[in-house]
Amino acid sequence: DGGITQSPKYLFRKEGQNVTLSCEQNLNHDAMYWYRQDPGQGLRLIYYSQIVNDFQKGDIAEGYSVSREKKESFPLTVTSAQKNPTAFYLCASSTRPISSGQQFFGPGTRLTVL
Amino acid sequence: DAKTTQPPSMDCAEGRAANLPCNHSTISGNEYVYWYRQIHSQGPQYIIHGLKNNETNEMASLIITEDRKSSTLILPHATLRDTAVYYCIVRVADKTSGSRLTFGEGTQLTVNP
Repeated sequence: DGGITQSPKYLFRKEGQNVTLSCEQNLNHDAMYWYRQDPGQGLRLIYYSQIVNDFQKGDIAEGYSVSREKKESFPLTVTSAQKNPTAFYLCASSTRPISSGQQFFGPGTRLTVL
Repeated sequence: DAKTTQPPSMDCAEGRAANLPCNHSTISGNEYVYWYRQIHSQGPQYIIHGLKNNETNEMASLIITEDRKSSTLILPHATLRDTAVYYCIVRVADKTSGSRLTFGEGTQLTVNP
């Protein structure tokens, strides 16, 4: 089955620790995205990558870092500099044609920092 | 990208049509209207999109007014599984933004038995 996987589904960390969230896709999509969602709110864009070895900051990049060394993978690191990291994190991918706004989302990782 | 306005919540009876409105009065000529939905604690799912013509697919229909300042998503025969938050997104397609989407707070649609 083609799709996007995120692991783990639930993640707990102590305050002050960095944590890396995994996102893998086998859809052969060029573009990948990370969003954050807080309770009762819409999604906010953290980082996005339109091609391997390139990525851009979204609207709330502070305290986060990413890498895009492989087409299939776009891991997100939540650093200790992120002041309020507890949230639901969603990864998405899309084909490259700029006219396509159709993004495919993974199931999400719910991060809780204690 | 243009801002959108949606009612925070709506109810619909199972089997009836659900009509979800969206206001995007500042939309530009090169901006598309996209609809996504998110079932509780899952990732959003693409539904449909359009520029100025009405669109229909296996999930829904999208009606865009002639002046493009508002649109309506229609689920023709709502089921309990259609209970979700529905997001209306207006997006310009260009080389710098790529497929960037800006999600608002959406409309919580509750389908009742």
